[in-house]
Amino acid sequence: DTEVTQTPKHLVMGMTNKKSLKCEQHMGHRAMYWYKQKAKKPPELMFVYSYEKLSINESVPSRFSPECPNSSLLNLHLHALQPEDSALYLCASSQGMYGTGELFFGEGSRLTVL
Amino acid sequence: AQKVTQAQTEISVVEKEDVTLDCVYETRDTTYYLFWYKQPPSGELVFLIRRNSFDEQNEISGRYSWNFQKSTSSFNFTITASQVVDSAVYFCALHGSGNTGKLIFGQGTTLQVKP
Repeated sequence: DTEVTQTPKHLVMGMTNKKSLKCEQHMGHRAMYWYKQKAKKPPELMFVYSYEKLSINESVPSRFSPECPNSSLLNLHLHALQPEDSALYLCASSQGMYGTGELFFGEGSRLTVL
Repeated sequence: AQKVTQAQTEISVVEKEDVTLDCVYETRDTTYYLFWYKQPPSGELVFLIRRNSFDEQNEISGRYSWNFQKSTSSFNFTITASQVVDSAVYFCALHGSGNTGKLIFGQGTTLQVKP
């Protein structure tokens, strides 16, 4: 079983909805990540949190809003999304943002925007 | 610039065949790490191996083996006696010393193992 837990596993939303994706890890990791993955493509980095502070934002549109309430939790708030935002959203964690780069991934939340 | 190339988009083999997945990388960093991840249909990216740039020893783990050659900037992955459960997308990834947590992924190779 993965040690990074993501909910929900599947989400369908309309373009006017507001929803959130949640991620939790209990490995004591201090860096957490959101990646977006389109079908048949590699994951693309969206955000990196280090010690609960946003460290990297890869020029992601403001309709995606990350939040890190504590060292174990990472949320991604979604609002006014477009159909092209439909994708698999992967959460990951690592011991630190610097270092060897070994990331532990969750199973992802598959998002469909209608 | 940093780049990872997996030239094989899809590979199909019959169970018990050996298969090699190729990975070529580009980086100017002297210290870097290379990874292989497996992504089964469930979606999770499963960590398989990490190599640092100073360790060129080949590694074997059960049916899996990895060949790291700095001279050719390659980090190839071989599955011996493949099984249906090996069917997945495999990603090679690079983490450079200046990447601050950002993995550079290759495009992935879809492996289908037929019974």
